[in-house]
Amino acid sequence: DIQLTQSPSFLSASVGDRVTITCRASQDISTYLAWYQQKPGKAPNLLIYGASTLQSGVPSRFSGSGSGTEFTLTISSLQPEDFATYYCQQLNSYLRGLTFGGGTKVEIK
Amino acid sequence: QITLKESGPTLVKPTQTLTLTCTFSGFSLSTSGVGVGWIRQPPGKPLEWLALIYWDDDKRYSPSLNSRLTITKDTSKNQVVLTMTNMDPVDTGTYYCARRVVFKGFDPWGQGTLVTVSS
Repeated sequence: DIQLTQSPSFLSASVGDRVTITCRASQDISTYLAWYQQKPGKAPNLLIYGASTLQSGVPSRFSGSGSGTEFTLTISSLQPEDFATYYCQQLNSYLRGLTFGGGTKVEIK
Repeated sequence: QITLKESGPTLVKPTQTLTLTCTFSGFSLSTSGVGVGWIRQPPGKPLEWLALIYWDDDKRYSPSLNSRLTITKDTSKNQVVLTMTNMDPVDTGTYYCARRVVFKGFDPWGQGTLVTVSS
């Protein structure tokens, strides 16, 4: 399997803060990476695909970057509705599983 | 509007076979580039991709669960069915289905269905 390591696993931040989450892949996945947001008791919601393409309807304060093995999700100004858990997922290789990262929980400071 | 909904048993016994159905609307699984996948999430744990079927009947499975999974589609009924054999308590969790478009991620997702494996 391709392993995805997210860091940090937990972060505490305030409304208005700039937040960056990192996702590292165990091998080169080009830009075949997606980011999701999941709120408690709810299904995940796609934020970004292709490492940097914003899904339709997602606020522009969310952005993604990276290629190869290192990727980041940035929230430029954290809003109250952004407190959630964020997951990355590699979409490069079925043979190695469309694996998800371990998640990053963003909580209110 | 695209919607997906999972259905199936909420409780299964160890060693039994789980059958889940995803019923969707707002898109067709005969459209080129479209697929439907299954993802699960044990309580308090991360997401795990299970299986995916495409418009052309191409099927993909998680390498670690490949021997236990079967995914099929019924395009006329707008349904995708996942079967998982030899269920174990570690398979307890919420099972989601979601649409996948080639080169994109999974979007949207169903609400999920909680499956508990216990004797």
